[in-house]
Amino acid sequence: GESVGLHLPTLSVQEGDNSIINCAYSNSASDYFIWYKQESGKGPQFIIDIRSNMDKRQGQRVTVLLNKTVKHLSLQIAATQPGDSAVYFCAESPRTGANNLFFGTGTRLTVIP
Amino acid sequence: NAGVMQNPRHLVRRRGQEARLRCSPMKGHSHVYWYRQLPEEGLKFMVYLQKENIIDESGMPKERFSAEFPKEGPSILRIQQVVRGDSAAYFCASSPPPNRNTEAFFGQGTRLTVV
Repeated sequence: GESVGLHLPTLSVQEGDNSIINCAYSNSASDYFIWYKQESGKGPQFIIDIRSNMDKRQGQRVTVLLNKTVKHLSLQIAATQPGDSAVYFCAESPRTGANNLFFGTGTRLTVIP
Repeated sequence: NAGVMQNPRHLVRRRGQEARLRCSPMKGHSHVYWYRQLPEEGLKFMVYLQKENIIDESGMPKERFSAEFPKEGPSILRIQQVVRGDSAAYFCASSPPPNRNTEAFFGQGTRLTVV
C-alpha cells in the first residue's frame, strides 16, 4: 500500500504486506528529518531519522528514503504487523540538531489482520 | 530511567480559568520543547527552553501563553484566561544539549479541554 501524505491521510494494508508512507516537505534548507509513530492517546515515538547528506537509511523493518531534488521523504515498513497501526508523522528541522521540529499532518496506517 | 513525564494527563478548565501544564524532562536532559496538537493534525512547535532561559518562543501565541523552565523543578506551560480554542493535546519533549545526533523524546501529553 502507498499513500501521498497530506492528500491521502489514510492507508490500509494487509498484515504481512509492505507499507509506504510519503511526505512532502517545503523547506529546502531543512537538514534533518524524522519519522514518528503516534498511537491513540500517546505521545510521538521516534522511529527513524535521516540527515540531508544521506538518501537512504535502514532500521529494523523500516527504511527512510530522502529525495532532496523533489523535497520528498518516504517511510517503508516491511512485513507490516497489526502493532504498526498508528498515525505516522514526518518532521523536518530547519537546522542540524534543532528540535523545534515542523510536523506534517500525518498518515493513519491501518493494518488489516 | 523514567521517560518524559507530563501531568496532569487530562485537564478540564472553564473559560476564563488558568491552566498549568507540567513537564519533567528525562534525567540528564536540560532542554525542553512544548508542542500543541489539535485533533487529526500534526504537532505545532510552541517554545524551546533551557534551564532558566527561553531559547525560541516563535511558536507561542503573543498573549495568555507563557512558559518557564526553572533551575529546580519541572517546566511549566501556563495558559491564562483559557478559551475553547485552547482545547488541544499539549506535548513536551526533552533532549540533551542539541548536537548533530540529538533525538528528542516526547511525553504522553496533557489533554486540555476548555468547557
